[in-house]
Amino acid sequence: RKEVEQDPGPFNVPEGATVAFNCTYSNSASQSFFWYRQDCRKEPKLLMSVYSSGNEDGRFTAQLNRASQYISLLIRDSKLSDSATYLCVVKTSYDKVIFGPGTSLSVIP
Amino acid sequence: NAGVMQNPRHLVRRRGQEARLRCSPMKGHSHVYWYRQLPEEGLKFMVYLQKENIIDESGMPKERFSAEFPKEGPSILRIQQVVRGDSAAYFCASSPPNVETYEQYFGPGTRLTVT
Repeated sequence: RKEVEQDPGPFNVPEGATVAFNCTYSNSASQSFFWYRQDCRKEPKLLMSVYSSGNEDGRFTAQLNRASQYISLLIRDSKLSDSATYLCVVKTSYDKVIFGPGTSLSVIP
Repeated sequence: NAGVMQNPRHLVRRRGQEARLRCSPMKGHSHVYWYRQLPEEGLKFMVYLQKENIIDESGMPKERFSAEFPKEGPSILRIQQVVRGDSAAYFCASSPPNVETYEQYFGPGTRLTVT
């Protein structure tokens, strides 16, 4: 089993739709969790950290379920500019940072 | 505050030559990570360094690849005797010395093409 797994995608959604991405991790002792986005041929950029209590930033909501070792990202009211690959990132207890394979999102007019 | 800087942005090498990729972390950041991204694939961790120390090189190929982060100057990823399979985007990221967050900030990458 891979250390970090994500929905394979791609996700093609119309503008204004709500879309959810799922991520699971295998190391129960993992400590920190993040979502990054990567536009085509560009560097990954931090979207948001994920906290145990869940957190929201505008149209984006991240949730963490430690018992199920599961992280989610919800995007409401999708915009064309949200089209990108979304990367789930986990920091393990032994200080290793692992990127998931990413889920591609295309928002269609 | 300048972001993470990488140079060159594009590098073309012939098979058998050496490639040197440079990364200057954000000001105040003491942790540097190198990743490789092959075309149409995800990011693969290569090496994690702090000043003058290699902390984790579990993702580095055993041969031809080396990395350093000297006390002064940028971090260097060095690839000797490049082969076509080394063609990829190489990203560097840095993070502050805060063990609680480990948020990483990425540079624009160096795109290596081996001909």
